[in-house]
Amino acid sequence: NAGVTQTPKFQVLKTGQSMTLQCAQDMNHEYMSWYRQDPGMGLRLIHYSVGAGITDQGEVPNGYNVSRSTTEDFPLRLLSAAPSQTSVYFCASSYSGASGLSTDTQYFGPGTRLTVL
Amino acid sequence: DQQVKQNSPSLSVQEGRISILNCDYTNSMFDYFLWYKKYPAEGPTFLISISSIKDKNEDGRFTVFLNKSAKHLSLHIVPSQPGDSAVYFCAASDNAGNMLTFGGGTRLMVKP
Repeated sequence: NAGVTQTPKFQVLKTGQSMTLQCAQDMNHEYMSWYRQDPGMGLRLIHYSVGAGITDQGEVPNGYNVSRSTTEDFPLRLLSAAPSQTSVYFCASSYSGASGLSTDTQYFGPGTRLTVL
Repeated sequence: DQQVKQNSPSLSVQEGRISILNCDYTNSMFDYFLWYKKYPAEGPTFLISISSIKDKNEDGRFTVFLNKSAKHLSLHIVPSQPGDSAVYFCAASDNAGNMLTFGGGTRLMVKP
């Protein structure tokens, strides 16, 4: 199993450009999520999905769109990049585990480092 | 306002000694807590979790303690090893379980 994969690893954008960060998992997990990590802020939830066709907003959703057409893929779209979106982005997937919670035991991808100039 | 706080940005410990990482939360609706470990240039990996119905959970060298009345949890690593050097994040979930709130992280350095 490849686990959770993310592409690209690095990206530099100019203000106003758009792009899509790709995320895929091969573990048949229903729950997938996107986080951004900024210094001293930990990881903050952008959007999440509890299954194909179902998405919802997290803590910091503004400026980002998501869709979930398949169980495996959960792309994150930046419609018009801003310098404030410079960050490291992590995608994660999970199963419910013993707790029964969707967010139990999340598996994270290696991250995408995005710089917006 | 951060609902999950790790007030120590860094911690240095000698190999073989105990490492204690602390985490405080403010939201009384949180009832499931997790610790993640992160190495540079990698994604976080799950370490250990605890439900609010327990006050202690143990997994090998790692033990998590939960004090609900104080809204405080801690991660104990005994004995600490150089390979434990990483950033540790605590995270909390409410019983709906769809959103995790993370703390800012503590960088642990274990010196040989």
